[in-house]
Amino acid sequence: DTGVSQNPRHKITKRGQNVTFRCDPISEHNRLYWYRQTLGQGPEFLTYFQNEAQLEKSRLLSDRFSAERPKGSFSTLEIQRTEQGDSAMYLCASSRTGDYGYTFGSGTRLTVV
Amino acid sequence: AQSVTQPDIHITVSEGASLELRCNYSYGATPYLFWYVQSPGQGLQLLLKYFSGDTLVQGIKGFEAEFKRSQSSFNLRKPSVHWSDAAEYFCAVGATNAGKSTFGDGTTLTVKP
Repeated sequence: DTGVSQNPRHKITKRGQNVTFRCDPISEHNRLYWYRQTLGQGPEFLTYFQNEAQLEKSRLLSDRFSAERPKGSFSTLEIQRTEQGDSAMYLCASSRTGDYGYTFGSGTRLTVV
Repeated sequence: AQSVTQPDIHITVSEGASLELRCNYSYGATPYLFWYVQSPGQGLQLLLKYFSGDTLVQGIKGFEAEFKRSQSSFNLRKPSVHWSDAAEYFCAVGATNAGKSTFGDGTTLTVKP
Protein backbone atom coordinates (compact mmCIF):
# COMPACT_ATOMS: atom_id res chain seq x y z
CA ASP A 1 0.00 0.00 0.00
CA THR A 2 1.82 3.08 -1.25
CA GLY A 3 -0.94 5.51 -0.31
CA VAL A 4 -2.53 8.15 -2.51
CA SER A 5 -0.04 9.78 -4.83
CA GLN A 6 -0.44 13.24 -6.36
CA ASN A 7 1.68 14.87 -9.00
CA PRO A 8 3.07 17.40 -9.27
CA ARG A 9 3.52 18.56 -5.66
CA HIS A 10 3.80 22.17 -6.75
CA LYS A 11 2.77 24.00 -9.90
CA ILE A 12 3.34 27.64 -10.75
CA THR A 13 1.56 28.86 -13.84
CA LYS A 14 0.74 32.12 -15.55
CA ARG A 15 -2.82 33.35 -15.61
CA GLY A 16 -4.64 32.03 -18.65
CA GLN A 17 -2.62 28.84 -18.97
CA ASN A 18 -4.07 25.34 -18.63
CA VAL A 19 -2.87 22.96 -15.94
CA THR A 20 -3.45 19.27 -15.27
CA PHE A 21 -2.95 17.37 -12.03
CA ARG A 22 -2.80 13.64 -11.57
CA CYS A 23 -3.94 11.45 -8.70
CA ASP A 24 -3.15 7.76 -8.22
CA PRO A 25 -5.41 6.30 -5.52
CA ILE A 26 -4.79 3.24 -3.38
CA SER A 27 -5.16 0.37 -5.82
CA GLU A 28 -8.09 -1.39 -4.20
CA HIS A 29 -10.06 1.82 -3.63
CA ASN A 30 -12.90 2.27 -6.11
CA ARG A 31 -13.88 5.79 -4.99
CA LEU A 32 -11.82 8.86 -5.73
CA TYR A 33 -12.46 12.43 -4.58
CA TRP A 34 -11.10 15.85 -5.43
CA TYR A 35 -11.12 18.69 -2.92
CA ARG A 36 -9.71 22.22 -2.96
CA GLN A 37 -8.25 23.91 0.09
CA THR A 38 -7.35 27.57 0.45
CA LEU A 39 -5.39 29.10 3.30
CA GLY A 40 -7.32 29.13 6.56
CA GLN A 41 -10.16 27.05 5.19
CA GLY A 42 -11.17 23.45 5.30
CA PRO A 43 -11.22 21.33 2.16
CA GLU A 44 -14.08 22.09 -0.25
CA PHE A 45 -15.60 19.26 -2.24
CA LEU A 46 -15.13 19.43 -6.00
CA THR A 47 -16.12 16.05 -7.41
CA TYR A 48 -16.00 12.31 -6.88
CA PHE A 49 -15.87 9.12 -8.90
CA GLN A 50 -16.97 5.59 -8.26
CA ASN A 51 -14.84 3.52 -10.59
CA GLU A 52 -14.90 5.49 -13.85
CA ALA A 53 -18.27 7.17 -13.27
CA GLN A 54 -18.32 10.77 -12.04
CA LEU A 55 -21.16 10.65 -9.51
CA GLU A 56 -21.24 14.18 -8.19
CA LYS A 57 -19.80 17.53 -9.15
CA SER A 58 -19.89 20.65 -7.00
CA ARG A 59 -21.49 23.82 -8.29
CA LEU A 60 -18.22 25.44 -7.24
CA LEU A 61 -16.67 23.72 -10.21
CA SER A 62 -16.93 26.09 -13.13
CA ASP A 63 -16.86 25.02 -16.74
CA ARG A 64 -13.12 25.63 -16.71
CA PHE A 65 -12.65 22.60 -14.46
CA SER A 66 -12.88 19.04 -15.69
CA ALA A 67 -12.00 15.74 -14.08
CA GLU A 68 -11.65 12.28 -15.55
CA ARG A 69 -10.99 8.79 -14.34
CA PRO A 70 -10.88 6.89 -17.61
CA LYS A 71 -10.23 3.34 -16.46
CA GLY A 72 -11.32 3.62 -12.88
CA SER A 73 -7.75 3.86 -11.69
CA PHE A 74 -5.87 7.19 -11.77
CA SER A 75 -7.65 10.50 -12.20
CA THR A 76 -6.77 13.85 -13.73
CA LEU A 77 -8.08 17.28 -12.85
CA GLU A 78 -7.67 19.95 -15.53
CA ILE A 79 -8.14 23.67 -15.09
CA GLN A 80 -8.40 25.69 -18.26
CA ARG A 81 -7.62 29.42 -18.53
CA THR A 82 -6.38 29.62 -14.95
CA GLU A 83 -7.24 32.64 -12.82
CA GLN A 84 -5.55 33.95 -9.70
CA GLY A 85 -8.51 32.75 -7.66
CA ASP A 86 -7.64 29.18 -8.63
CA SER A 87 -4.52 29.34 -6.46
CA ALA A 88 -5.04 26.69 -3.80
CA MET A 89 -4.04 23.23 -2.63
CA TYR A 90 -5.81 20.55 -4.65
CA LEU A 91 -6.31 17.39 -2.62
CA CYS A 92 -7.16 13.93 -3.87
CA ALA A 93 -8.56 11.21 -1.63
CA SER A 94 -9.73 7.65 -2.11
CA SER A 95 -11.83 5.06 -0.31
CA ARG A 96 -13.65 1.78 -0.83
CA THR A 97 -17.42 1.59 -1.12
CA GLY A 98 -18.83 1.19 2.38
CA ASP A 99 -15.54 2.18 4.00
CA TYR A 100 -16.31 5.65 5.32
CA GLY A 101 -13.50 8.11 5.75
CA TYR A 102 -10.84 8.95 3.20
CA THR A 103 -7.16 8.43 2.63
CA PHE A 104 -5.77 11.71 1.33
CA GLY A 105 -2.77 12.40 -0.81
CA SER A 106 -0.30 15.16 0.01
CA GLY A 107 -1.90 17.53 -2.48
CA THR A 108 -0.82 19.67 -5.39
CA ARG A 109 -0.22 23.32 -4.56
CA LEU A 110 -1.16 25.57 -7.48
CA THR A 111 0.04 29.15 -7.67
CA VAL A 112 -1.32 31.31 -10.50
CA VAL A 113 0.78 34.42 -11.17
CA ALA B 1 -27.60 21.08 3.65
CA GLN B 2 -24.82 19.84 5.86
CA SER B 3 -22.41 22.15 7.66
CA VAL B 4 -19.70 22.02 10.30
CA THR B 5 -18.61 24.69 12.75
CA GLN B 6 -15.35 24.60 14.63
CA PRO B 7 -15.66 27.53 17.03
CA ASP B 8 -11.99 27.72 18.00
CA ILE B 9 -9.63 28.90 15.28
CA HIS B 10 -6.52 28.49 17.41
CA ILE B 11 -5.85 26.66 20.69
CA THR B 12 -2.65 26.59 22.72
CA VAL B 13 -2.04 23.95 25.37
CA SER B 14 0.98 22.92 27.40
CA GLU B 15 2.60 19.58 26.73
CA GLY B 16 1.06 16.97 29.01
CA ALA B 17 -2.18 18.91 29.45
CA SER B 18 -5.53 17.63 28.30
CA LEU B 19 -7.12 18.78 25.07
CA GLU B 20 -10.66 19.23 23.80
CA LEU B 21 -11.44 20.54 20.32
CA ARG B 22 -15.03 21.50 19.62
CA CYS B 23 -17.12 20.58 16.61
CA ASN B 24 -20.78 21.32 15.94
CA TYR B 25 -22.56 19.98 12.89
CA SER B 26 -25.80 20.46 11.03
CA TYR B 27 -27.24 17.53 9.15
CA GLY B 28 -30.78 16.37 8.48
CA ALA B 29 -30.30 12.70 9.22
CA THR B 30 -27.99 10.51 11.24
CA PRO B 31 -24.58 11.93 10.48
CA TYR B 32 -21.35 10.24 9.66
CA LEU B 33 -18.71 12.22 11.53
CA PHE B 34 -14.95 12.37 11.18
CA TRP B 35 -11.88 14.04 12.60
CA TYR B 36 -8.79 14.54 10.45
CA VAL B 37 -5.37 15.97 11.28
CA GLN B 38 -3.18 17.92 8.86
CA SER B 39 0.49 18.66 9.39
CA PRO B 40 2.03 21.61 7.52
CA GLY B 41 2.28 21.03 3.78
CA GLN B 42 0.67 17.61 4.03
CA GLY B 43 -2.63 15.99 3.23
CA LEU B 44 -5.15 15.06 5.87
CA GLN B 45 -5.00 11.89 7.98
CA LEU B 46 -8.11 10.27 9.39
CA LEU B 47 -8.02 10.18 13.21
CA LEU B 48 -11.39 8.58 13.90
CA LYS B 49 -14.94 8.19 12.61
CA TYR B 50 -18.45 7.69 13.96
CA PHE B 51 -21.48 6.12 12.25
CA SER B 52 -23.58 4.51 14.94
CA GLY B 53 -23.40 2.56 18.16
CA ASP B 54 -21.21 3.60 21.07
CA THR B 55 -21.10 7.37 21.16
CA LEU B 56 -17.51 7.42 22.43
CA VAL B 57 -15.14 6.41 19.66
CA GLN B 58 -11.44 5.74 19.92
CA GLY B 59 -9.01 6.73 17.23
CA ILE B 60 -5.34 6.69 16.44
CA LYS B 61 -2.62 8.55 18.36
CA GLY B 62 -4.58 8.37 21.63
CA PHE B 63 -7.48 10.55 20.47
CA GLU B 64 -11.14 9.95 21.22
CA ALA B 65 -14.35 11.76 20.33
CA GLU B 66 -17.83 11.79 21.78
CA PHE B 67 -20.99 12.12 19.72
CA LYS B 68 -23.78 14.05 21.46
CA ARG B 69 -26.90 14.12 19.33
CA SER B 70 -28.77 16.51 21.64
CA GLN B 71 -25.99 19.08 21.26
CA SER B 72 -25.15 18.30 17.62
CA SER B 73 -21.55 18.00 18.71
CA PHE B 74 -18.62 15.70 18.09
CA ASN B 75 -15.77 16.99 20.24
CA LEU B 76 -12.26 15.58 20.02
CA ARG B 77 -10.30 14.87 23.18
CA LYS B 78 -6.90 13.69 24.29
CA PRO B 79 -5.92 13.25 27.93
CA SER B 80 -2.26 14.24 27.55
CA VAL B 81 -0.95 16.22 24.59
CA HIS B 82 2.48 15.61 23.07
CA TRP B 83 4.53 18.20 21.17
CA SER B 84 4.04 16.12 18.01
CA ASP B 85 0.28 16.74 18.19
CA ALA B 86 0.79 20.33 17.02
CA ALA B 87 -1.12 20.49 13.73
CA GLU B 88 -4.42 21.58 12.24
CA TYR B 89 -7.49 19.53 13.06
CA PHE B 90 -10.58 19.29 10.88
CA CYS B 91 -14.01 17.97 11.75
CA ALA B 92 -16.18 16.70 8.89
CA VAL B 93 -19.69 15.41 8.33
CA GLY B 94 -20.45 12.95 5.57
CA ALA B 95 -23.44 11.74 3.66
CA THR B 96 -24.84 8.27 4.19
CA ASN B 97 -23.88 7.18 0.68
CA ALA B 98 -20.22 7.83 1.49
CA GLY B 99 -20.00 10.53 -1.11
CA LYS B 100 -18.82 13.98 -0.30
CA SER B 101 -17.92 15.22 3.13
CA THR B 102 -18.28 18.77 4.39
CA PHE B 103 -15.36 20.05 6.45
CA GLY B 104 -15.10 22.73 9.09
CA ASP B 105 -12.48 25.45 8.76
CA GLY B 106 -10.18 23.76 11.22
CA THR B 107 -8.57 24.42 14.59
CA THR B 108 -4.83 25.02 14.79
CA LEU B 109 -3.25 23.42 17.83
CA THR B 110 -0.04 24.82 19.29
CA VAL B 111 1.71 22.85 22.03
CA LYS B 112 3.87 24.76 24.52
CA PRO B 113 6.88 22.96 26.03
